Amino acid sequence: AQSVTQLDSHVSVSEGTPVLLRCNYSSSYSPSLFWYVQHPNKGLQLLLKYTSAATLVKGINGFEAEFKKSETSFHLTKPSAHMSDAAEYFCVVSGYNFNKFYFGSGTKLNVKP
Amino acid sequence: GAVVSQHPSRVICKSGTSVKIECRSLDFQATTMFWYRQFPKKSLMLMATSNEGSKATYEQGVEKDKFLINHASLTLSTLTVTSAHPEDSSFYICSARTIRDRTFPYEQYFGPGTRLTVT
Repeated sequence: AQSVTQLDSHVSVSEGTPVLLRCNYSSSYSPSLFWYVQHPNKGLQLLLKYTSAATLVKGINGFEAEFKKSETSFHLTKPSAHMSDAAEYFCVVSGYNFNKFYFGSGTKLNVKP
Repeated sequence: GAVVSQHPSRVICKSGTSVKIECRSLDFQATTMFWYRQFPKKSLMLMATSNEGSKATYEQGVEKDKFLINHASLTLSTLTVTSAHPEDSSFYICSARTIRDRTFPYEQYFGPGTRLTVT
């Protein structure tokens, strides 16, 4: 069975400081993992994905995530937060053959000026 | 590219009536579409998966007679909430994918969602 746990429901950072959004997963086989961002009144946008290639994945807008099998983690990071990064972020694991996506509960990122 | 639209963005209906939500892939052919429900401050829950021209596959616990899904073409899927009740009020999101995308054939592209309020 597949599942995702996002460890923080809310994260607040100051503009220009690093961002860390934590995600742990459970999967009965080699997973594919994703991070999506949801801005108000907009569709979910793919930030990055891990599909068993390089463990350090670079995404859009300066975000990156590292797949750590030993820790079953896929944390999302960004060196310097921007005001426009304020949004809801979802960690997602795919089911077998990508048939289904299993979403974490989401982390709301607040960026203070 | 890979834009998915939903209509309407917001709808208010009275208890007992039915409401239809449309999901369209604007610039690609969607071989599969998914319907999700998002509760306030909670995650997205997959309701059903539909492949063009065939019946939808519903997740456990989702009433297929209440949430009718039709995927009549490669660019349009509809979700009809029948005999809506206040507990059906939620945020409904669709996504679409195409296996014809050679770069990543199983990526899901999400619509902006529809806020349903049943009074």
